[in-house]
Amino acid sequence: DQQVKQNSPSLSVQEGRISILNCDYTNSMFDYFLWYKKYPAEGPTFLISISSIKDKNEDGRFTVFLNKSAKHLSLHIVPSQPGDSAVYFCAATASLGGSQGNLIFGKGTKLSVKP
Amino acid sequence: GAGVSQSPSNKVTEKGKDVELRCDPISGHTALYWYRQSLGQGLEFLIYFQGNSAPDKSGLPSDRFSAERTGGSVSTLTIQRTQQEDSAVYLCASSLGGLAGGYEQYFGPGTRLTVT
Repeated sequence: DQQVKQNSPSLSVQEGRISILNCDYTNSMFDYFLWYKKYPAEGPTFLISISSIKDKNEDGRFTVFLNKSAKHLSLHIVPSQPGDSAVYFCAATASLGGSQGNLIFGKGTKLSVKP
Repeated sequence: GAGVSQSPSNKVTEKGKDVELRCDPISGHTALYWYRQSLGQGLEFLIYFQGNSAPDKSGLPSDRFSAERTGGSVSTLTIQRTQQEDSAVYLCASSLGGLAGGYEQYFGPGTRLTVT
């Protein structure tokens, strides 16, 4: 049973517009969430994170929103650029309990930003 | 470089052979993680080291898989008697510390393993 779900395998956006990538989770113990970006033949690169005590975190063009009651988070990229084209993974972790630190990943959403 | 490095970058092996994958974490990072990504799937957690000890081996898919870490640094993931379903990209990540969670993990480029 998937604990972190990214229901859209792909997303296509025009350059300059907003990209919105969505992620849902089922485990209420998750209290820290991360987004990673992955180019082909490279390892994932950390992008932005959010703690469950916040509902928004912003870093330049990237903003992550967390809705704990809905167990939903989203990554907004604005304005989108062609270089943002990559696979984006949502990940979650629980800071308490035996599996401290390991991340549970979604299957990823492939973002294509068209010029 | 200062990032996580992994070797080899690609490995093709025959079914039944053993393979060893290596990970050099970022200097000073005490926590080290192994994941794998099969085709079309997300990243699957395998094992986590804090220093040289592995408090969480829950993700290892079978007893053919083992990992060790020495000197709080380099780690090797060993797969014995490889099977075709072991074919995947094996990713290593490190972080400053996993005790309280919330630490970002930094990934290496991965080792692409193909079992023929």
